[in-house]
Amino acid sequence: RKEVEQDPGPFNVPEGATVAFNCTYSNSASQSFFWYRQDCRKEPKLLMSVYSSGNEDGRFTAQLNRASQYISLLIRDSKLSDSATYLCVVNDFQGAQKLVFGQGTRLTINP
Amino acid sequence: GAGVSQSPRYKVTKRGQDVALRCDPISGHVSLYWYRQALGQGPEFLTYFNYEAQQDKSGLPNDRFSAERPEGSISTLTIQRTEQRDSAMYRCASSLEGLPGTGELFFGEGSRLTVL
Repeated sequence: RKEVEQDPGPFNVPEGATVAFNCTYSNSASQSFFWYRQDCRKEPKLLMSVYSSGNEDGRFTAQLNRASQYISLLIRDSKLSDSATYLCVVNDFQGAQKLVFGQGTRLTINP
Repeated sequence: GAGVSQSPRYKVTKRGQDVALRCDPISGHVSLYWYRQALGQGPEFLTYFNYEAQQDKSGLPNDRFSAERPEGSISTLTIQRTEQRDSAMYRCASSLEGLPGTGELFFGEGSRLTVL
């Protein structure tokens, strides 16, 4: 079983729609969680951290469910510029301090 | 520039040759990471350093892969006797402090390796 699993998509949604995707992680000892964004042919960049109580950053909401070991990302009022691959990332405490990336979910926002 | 710099950006080599990929992290960043990314996949952890010390090399696929960061700044990832399956984008990242911290890794643009 992969440490971090995501639905690779692609998700194709119209501009203005709300879209959500989840990821699951296998290591129950994991403590820190993040969403990264990767544009086509570019490097990954941190989008936001995920806190236990859930957190928002503008149109983006991230939530963590420790009991079920999943993380979600919700994008409201999607823009064309939101088209990218969204990578679910978990800090692996069991090994050394490293970030484990999921496969990524590809999102395309259509005009 | 002020970002993570990797060289070469593109490397084409023949099977059996050795390659060295270089990473120059953001100045003052303590931690340096190497990842490998195949098309359509997320980055796969290879190894990381805090200063000059290699803290975890559990992701290196086999003993043909090695990395060093002798002075705690620039790092080199070396692949000996390359094989076609080594073809991928090799990404270096640095962080100001050790993880988890802010969880922010700053990635370079990557070195795309093609083994013929």
